[in-house]
Order: sequence, then C-alpha cells, then structure tokens
Amino acid sequence: DADVTQTPRNRITKTGKRIMLECSQTKGHDRMYWYRQDPGLGLRLIYYSFDVKDINKGEISDGYSVSRQAQAKFSLSLESAIPNQTALYFCATSEGRLNTGELFFGEGSRLTVL
Amino acid sequence: AQSVTQPDIHITVSEGASLELRCNYSYGATPYLFWYVQSPGQGLQLLLKYFSGDTLVQGIKGFEAEFKRSQSSFNLRKPSVHWSDAAEYFCAVGARAGNQFYFGTGTSLTVIP
Repeated sequence: DADVTQTPRNRITKTGKRIMLECSQTKGHDRMYWYRQDPGLGLRLIYYSFDVKDINKGEISDGYSVSRQAQAKFSLSLESAIPNQTALYFCATSEGRLNTGELFFGEGSRLTVL
Repeated sequence: AQSVTQPDIHITVSEGASLELRCNYSYGATPYLFWYVQSPGQGLQLLLKYFSGDTLVQGIKGFEAEFKRSQSSFNLRKPSVHWSDAAEYFCAVGARAGNQFYFGTGTSLTVIP
C-alpha cells in the first residue's frame, strides 16, 4: 500500500458542487501539504499543516479550505467548485522534527469541474 | 521573493545521449534544493537533494546535480539517458526553516530510440 493515499483519484463534478479530496498517510509525518498542478505552472501550494492544530494558507488558498482531522489525515474542500479549479491535486507529507526537507507525494487526484 | 526557473519546457534526447536540465533559483538565503521526477500518472519522487557540503550531489537512477552558488543554479545531469527516464522533472527550493517549498514549472523529457 502507498504511504500517502489520496481519494478519489479521479472526479468529475459540476460548477457549484462541494467537493472533498482526502489524504491519509502512514509515514507518521507531522507535516502535510496540498498542492495543485496545472500544465505550465508547476506545483503551487494551497494549504499546509505542521500538526493537527496548525493550518496555514499557501499561495493559492482562495476557494479552498482544509481540515486536519488527525495526524494522518488532511482533507481539501472546494465549497463551490468552479471550472478553473480543474487540475491535478497532490497531497504531500514531510518529516517535521528532522526537517530533511523531502516531500513524499500521493499519486494525485484529478478533478474536472464542468 | 523566492522563485525557481526552469527555462526549458520540453527537451528531446536520444537514448544513450547525455542530459542536462537547467534550474535557476532566487532565494534570500542558502536554500535546500531538490529535483523531483514525475512519471506519467504518478506522484512526484525525489531524485536528489542538496543541503550543504559537497556541491555535486548524487541521486537515484544515475542522476547527479551541481549546486553553483555564484550562478544560483542547480542543474540536473545524467551521462546516458534511458528510455525509462522519459518523465517530467521539477526543481524545487525549500526554506531551511522548512516552512514552504517552491517548485519550478517543470521540464518534460522525451527520449527517442
């Protein structure tokens, strides 16, 4: 099983619908991240969390919210999806205390908003 | 402001040829530097990283990268490319405080027989 698991892997939805992308990890890492990948734009940080009580906005947080339900779980929500939120979304984790800097990624969730 | 530039959007090389992917960064202090690879339909996997010390770092799959502070560069190299190296490659910079990582826009590599 993957260390960082994202569900769903693919989702097609309509404008205005609420969508939740879920991420769970078995690496025991404190830090979790949500990134968005768009062609030609690379990865951009949406939100990150350093522990259950710590949530921080990234560079493109507008239109998104997150919930850190437990150390192992970090969910991304789109309250009212719009077409320009069509993208590939990645969850990632990193070790907090040792701060090795390495990110471990899930396989991605492809979201299409019609 | 922190930024990472990968000047080459797409590169095509022949199998067995050498490869160099360019990465330039802008950062206020000495950063952590990374190269990640993304195979089709997959997440990103770390190829190598530079924290300090020897400026030439070795990674997995035969890749290496050299940190040149004077040029603010961290170029990725491989002496002989294999067909399985076809993928998208991302350069990233991270704060030593570990708060955020900044990614380049990626370079797509095609390998022809």
